[in-house]
Amino acid sequence: SQQGEEDPQALSIQEGENATMNCSYKTSINNLQWYRQNSGRGLVHLILIRSNEREKHSGRLRVTLDTSKKSSSLLITASRAADTASYFCATDARYNAGNMLTFGGGTRLMVKP
Amino acid sequence: KAGVTQTPRYLIKTRGQQVTLSCSPISGHRSVSWYQQTPGQGLQFLFEYFSETQRNKGNFPGRFSGRQFSNSRSEMNVSTLELGDSALYLCASSLVADSNYGYTFGSGTRLTVV
Repeated sequence: SQQGEEDPQALSIQEGENATMNCSYKTSINNLQWYRQNSGRGLVHLILIRSNEREKHSGRLRVTLDTSKKSSSLLITASRAADTASYFCATDARYNAGNMLTFGGGTRLMVKP
Repeated sequence: KAGVTQTPRYLIKTRGQQVTLSCSPISGHRSVSWYQQTPGQGLQFLFEYFSETQRNKGNFPGRFSGRQFSNSRSEMNVSTLELGDSALYLCASSLVADSNYGYTFGSGTRLTVV
């Protein structure tokens, strides 16, 4: 079963615009991670935010986490055609008990040149 | 530094057969976890190994099994294949058994059951 739901399921924007994807989850978490997947290939780790953090930046990426609302958002600024991919949020609800990520359904982002 | 290597990349099997997939983690990484990705169910956790011990297991039938060797390489096996086992199988490695350090995924093995 999937812990998270992502919104929107699909997003189409023009190059240079910002893209915002949202993720909601159900249980308390240890951390939340965002991944990118190009055309059914492997997942690329983008950014990790811990439960005691509220915002994190990495290059053109900005992630926020609101544990009271059990939600997170990923903002990609100044998007490029190369950002076209599926984006997944994943949560880990286990504390010091090994690795087990629960993924959302993903957002398909298309950036038009 | 080599990434996570999964072999084979593509596989076609017949219903009822069994299959073994291989994953070589990043050198020094001791945690290996497996995920199944299908259009209908999305990404689902299969199991995780750390230092040759299975630490966590997802909600999959006993036909799905795995193991980890002393060099941290891992294999997963699916017996009595069903059409619904057609999926992209992803392996992820991590330095330690703590997800706060993030994961590195391989490119996956695409299994097609006919």
